[in-house]
Amino acid sequence: DSGVTQTPKHLITATGQRVTLRCSPRSGDLSVYWYQQSLDQGLQFLIQYYNGEERAKGNILERFSAQQFPDLHSELNLSSLELGDSALYFCASSVGTAGNTIYFGEGSWLTVV
Amino acid sequence: GQQLNQSPQSMFIQEGEDVSMNCTSSSIFNTWLWYKQDPGEGPVLLIALYKAGELTSNGRLTAQFGITRKDSFLNISASIPSDVGIYFCAGHRGANAGGTSYGKLTFGQGTILTVHP
Repeated sequence: DSGVTQTPKHLITATGQRVTLRCSPRSGDLSVYWYQQSLDQGLQFLIQYYNGEERAKGNILERFSAQQFPDLHSELNLSSLELGDSALYFCASSVGTAGNTIYFGEGSWLTVV
Repeated sequence: GQQLNQSPQSMFIQEGEDVSMNCTSSSIFNTWLWYKQDPGEGPVLLIALYKAGELTSNGRLTAQFGITRKDSFLNISASIPSDVGIYFCAGHRGANAGGTSYGKLTFGQGTILTVHP
C-alpha cells in the first residue's frame, strides 16, 4: 500500500459525459501528479500540482483539468469524453516538487462507451 | 511520446533464473527509477538511482545508473513466481527539463516478466 488513495476504482460512462477522479496523497506529501496509462501510449504524464498550485504540465488535453485543494487532495476532471479516453488514470504523490521519486495509487479505470 | 527504449519487451524464464532488463535514451536523465506493476494495480517503486554510476540493491534486485546518464539496467537474481509482472524504467530530467516539465517522469514501454515454476 503506497498510501495514495484514488476513487473510484472503476467507472463506465458514455461519450460526451464528464467525470471526476479523486486522489488523496500520502500523508505529508505536498505534490500530486496525474498520469494516464493506455495500451498504445503507455504511461504518460498529465499534470503536477504542488501545495495547491500547478507546477508542471504534460500532454494533458484541453478537455481535461485538475486542481489541488487546501487539504492537498486533488481532482482530475475529464469532460466531453471520447472512446479514446478509456484508460487507467493514476495519481502519484511526493514530498517535494522535483517529481523524481513518486509513489503511485492503484488507479482509476475509466471505460468510455 | 515516450523517449525511453526498454528491452526486452517480454521474458519467459524458469524459477531460479536471473533476469536482466535495460533502458536506453538519446537524452540525459538525472534520476532513473524502476517500478513494478501487477495487473490492476499501480506501479510500485522498486529502486531509485540519483547519481551516474550508482549501483543500488533492494533484496534480490540490483539496478545501475549508467555513466553516460542515458541508460540504466535492472537485474533480478534467483527469480521466484511472485516476480511476475510488468517492470518499467522511468527517467527524470530535473532542471534540464525546463520549467513546465520539471516534475515529469518519462516511462519506458515496460518488460513483461513471466516466471515458470
